[in-house]
Amino acid sequence: GAGVSQSPSNKVTEKGKDVELRCDPISGHTALYWYRQSLGQGLEFLIYFQGNSAPDKSGLPSDRFSAERTGGSVSTLTIQRTQQEDSAVYLCASTPGTSGSPYNEQFFGPGTRLTVL
Amino acid sequence: GNSVTQMEGPVTLSEEAFLTINCTYTATGYPSLFWYVQYPGEGLQLLLKATKADDKGSNKGFEATYRKETTSFHLEKGSVQVSDSAVYFCALTSTISYIPTFGRGTSLIVHP
Repeated sequence: GAGVSQSPSNKVTEKGKDVELRCDPISGHTALYWYRQSLGQGLEFLIYFQGNSAPDKSGLPSDRFSAERTGGSVSTLTIQRTQQEDSAVYLCASTPGTSGSPYNEQFFGPGTRLTVL
Repeated sequence: GNSVTQMEGPVTLSEEAFLTINCTYTATGYPSLFWYVQYPGEGLQLLLKATKADDKGSNKGFEATYRKETTSFHLEKGSVQVSDSAVYFCALTSTISYIPTFGRGTSLIVHP
């Protein structure tokens, strides 16, 4: 079946502009995660959704970052007034089942590479 | 809180060499342990997992054993190929936190 998809695959923007990144999880997956991966770095957790609710937004680096999820499916990560330090690959992952299950692997999308000039 | 520590990379090997990438963890609750692989330009994909102590995960010639006594989950492969060149991430999830904890990743470069 279809995997996790993300769009756009690449985004180049100017400093100060707003950007929207989209994630389509695997159908039926209730949990959705956003991560940021800077060059040569590991994964930085941003936000987690269970259904349409975001019980944990603790990873969002500033109030310029926000995310929503509608219909328990598609999620959008929005970065307002982008800065050069926002340049990174933004990864989305989904998992089946309920929150708290430790056995579930994460299914990752290919990522969106964001470059802020 | 939970944490995962991986050996620093890059690890550079010749084809057919033996591979070990060390991973140790601290966790509350009863963690499940994972290895993910990221090929250039792609997202992460699950390589193998183990959900309880002494379990061995294996896939594509890679193996890792969940060692509770040493809190380790080292990745091994007997004979690497050029196509194994990628970044490898050790990770855990636990019954306490729904947010997976990832290591910083270890880059593997295999030369012909």
